[in-house]
Amino acid sequence: QVTLKESGPGILQPSQTLSLTCTFSGFSLSTYGMGVGWIRQPSGKGLEWLANIWWDDDKYYNPSLKNRLTISKDTSNNQAFLKITNVDTADTATYYCARNNWDFDYWGQGVMVTVSS
Amino acid sequence: DVVMTQTPVSLSVSLGGQVSISCRSSQSLVHNNGNTYLSWYLQKPGQSPQLLIYKVSNRFSGISDRFSGSGSGTDFTLKISRVEPDDLGVYYCGQGTQYPDTFGAGTKLELK
Repeated sequence: QVTLKESGPGILQPSQTLSLTCTFSGFSLSTYGMGVGWIRQPSGKGLEWLANIWWDDDKYYNPSLKNRLTISKDTSNNQAFLKITNVDTADTATYYCARNNWDFDYWGQGVMVTVSS
Repeated sequence: DVVMTQTPVSLSVSLGGQVSISCRSSQSLVHNNGNTYLSWYLQKPGQSPQLLIYKVSNRFSGISDRFSGSGSGTDFTLKISRVEPDDLGVYYCGQGTQYPDTFGAGTKLELK
């Protein structure tokens, strides 16, 4: 049974760094072809893909967020991480992690993040 | 970036009815490996998105055969037959052929 769960700070101030953790079970990020992606969704709006990390540590980022994103993984502890630097109110959203099998086949419940001064 | 255009924005349907949702991509979604990575997701109210269809026409585990996907290249369709109350929500198409991954803006399925 595949499960994923996101955790994060809940609220942070503009210019701070957002650190998110995805803790998963039922698969391994050391398995060939496996990946984890991060996707966000502002309240009442659509889905925006942020980043993917693959079993071989290959990483891909959404260029619209320029150099603000860093994705990483801890294979031993079944975790993936996402950092977003210099956050702004526009980064307020629900953040999801999902298993990436060339599609996002299992999703976490999401974590709400609010950026506010 | 590949732009995914979904139509219509919203749909009203009677229980037991049939609906179709269109998704068009600004570029072909055929990958160099020959696969087409076009997926359909449903986000029910207050829930995370869930995968319905992957690689155009393959139903994900546990998905009813009332859901069917078709299409090729840049033009794709999701059909839902015998609509049930649990089918209501927002449907998204998404592509994983070319980075960055992109999603359509969504189609909201409501009861008539």
